[in-house]
Amino acid sequence: GEKVEQHESTLSVREGDSAVINCTYTDTASSYFPWYKQEAGKSLHFVIDIRSNVDRKQSQRLTVLLDKKAKRFSLHITATQPEDSAIYFCAARATGGNNKLTFGQGTVLSVIP
Amino acid sequence: GPKVLQIPSHQIIDMGQMVTLNCDPVSNHLYFYWYKQILGQQMEFLVNFYNGKVMEKSKLFKDQFSVERPDGSYFTLKIQPTALEDSAVYFCASSLGRRSTGQLYFGEGSKLTVL
Repeated sequence: GEKVEQHESTLSVREGDSAVINCTYTDTASSYFPWYKQEAGKSLHFVIDIRSNVDRKQSQRLTVLLDKKAKRFSLHITATQPEDSAIYFCAARATGGNNKLTFGQGTVLSVIP
Repeated sequence: GPKVLQIPSHQIIDMGQMVTLNCDPVSNHLYFYWYKQILGQQMEFLVNFYNGKVMEKSKLFKDQFSVERPDGSYFTLKIQPTALEDSAVYFCASSLGRRSTGQLYFGEGSKLTVL
């Protein structure tokens, strides 16, 4: 089955700097890659996603890049703010599947004021 | 935005007892899911459910686990009997569809502690 690896288990950046979180996946059939944010003791909230028909998607301070050849995707957060501090999960979903998401292990992002 | 509600938020039970976790999905959603998270670690897929049936389940969805949504009420996860390794936070999620409308909305989680 699909395996998603999230490379950074923790990441600390200074407020205003950029943060990058990298993920790789194994299933070439995966075509949808969402990112979720989980604040301490809370649920997962959808942040941004990318589909395999594009290689870049931007929403305000967030950009997702997808390299299908390398089976790699990444989340870039610019001008980080303390409220960006949370656990970020990447995920992958195969085309035609039952909408089953396979998650990475999570990255704890700390933005230091 | 759309909300998924989970009841209870926390439950402590003795090993061997039965537990039912309840989920009130987003009102017009058709697909329902349970995920298991052990202490801030990876979110593990358990099961998804559509039109009254289990669509897919993982190896973590043991024989002691069952799901149902009787008459459009709560979507439930029942564990009978519970084991120590069932201690985790269980997240319910729902989605409108599978493809372009397949964004999952998660509840706040039900923390289960099995003693």
